[in-house]
Amino acid sequence: DAKTTQPNSMESNEEEPVHLPCNHSTISGTDYIHWYRQLPSQGPEYVIHGLTSNVNNRMASLAIAEDRKSSTLILHRATLRDAAVYYCILRDRNAGNMLTFGGGTRLMVKP
Amino acid sequence: GAGVSQTPSNKVTEKGKYVELRCDPISGHTALYWYRQSLGQGPEFLIYFQGTGAADDSGLPNDRFFAVRPEGSVSTLKIQRTERGDSAVYLCASSLTRSGANVLTFGAGSRLTVL
Repeated sequence: DAKTTQPNSMESNEEEPVHLPCNHSTISGTDYIHWYRQLPSQGPEYVIHGLTSNVNNRMASLAIAEDRKSSTLILHRATLRDAAVYYCILRDRNAGNMLTFGGGTRLMVKP
Repeated sequence: GAGVSQTPSNKVTEKGKYVELRCDPISGHTALYWYRQSLGQGPEFLIYFQGTGAADDSGLPNDRFFAVRPEGSVSTLKIQRTERGDSAVYLCASSLTRSGANVLTFGAGSRLTVL
């Protein structure tokens, strides 16, 4: 499976935008880019996913580089409730395999 | 229900005992996944079902671990002769289909402690 690389941790101030980077230089043409997050003592929660075009939903935006070798999850206004571990995961459109989680990025939000 | 339900939420057992963990997926979801998460680590894949059959069990650590999904809905993860190293949170997730475009919905997990 293609791998992803994320920073171990990031800090943000409340009410400010947060840009969480992910590198996936070996991505294949059929890989979707998925983002999940895990709040303390909870199971992972879906955030957003995309294939080639940038995506927006009520939780976040996903900006995908033109060559698809990197992507950025954007939280437009961080709140204390956004403090979590964020996982960037590649999932093949056709293979139907499981999600393979890496270490993720621990986001800390300061009031 | 609306989400993935896992029972029990907490299980404490003694070394050597047998344990069953249950997962009730979202109705209509054909794909079901089991993960294990140790403290401070990301979830680790165990097994994945498509319908009633185990499509990929490559993540099961050894033959003490077994999972079933007899009717294509509820799944049970079974651990025989538990060891202290089995202590972890066991997460279940379901997905509408196996397509990579579909998202997984996770349950809250079952925390297993082996004394």
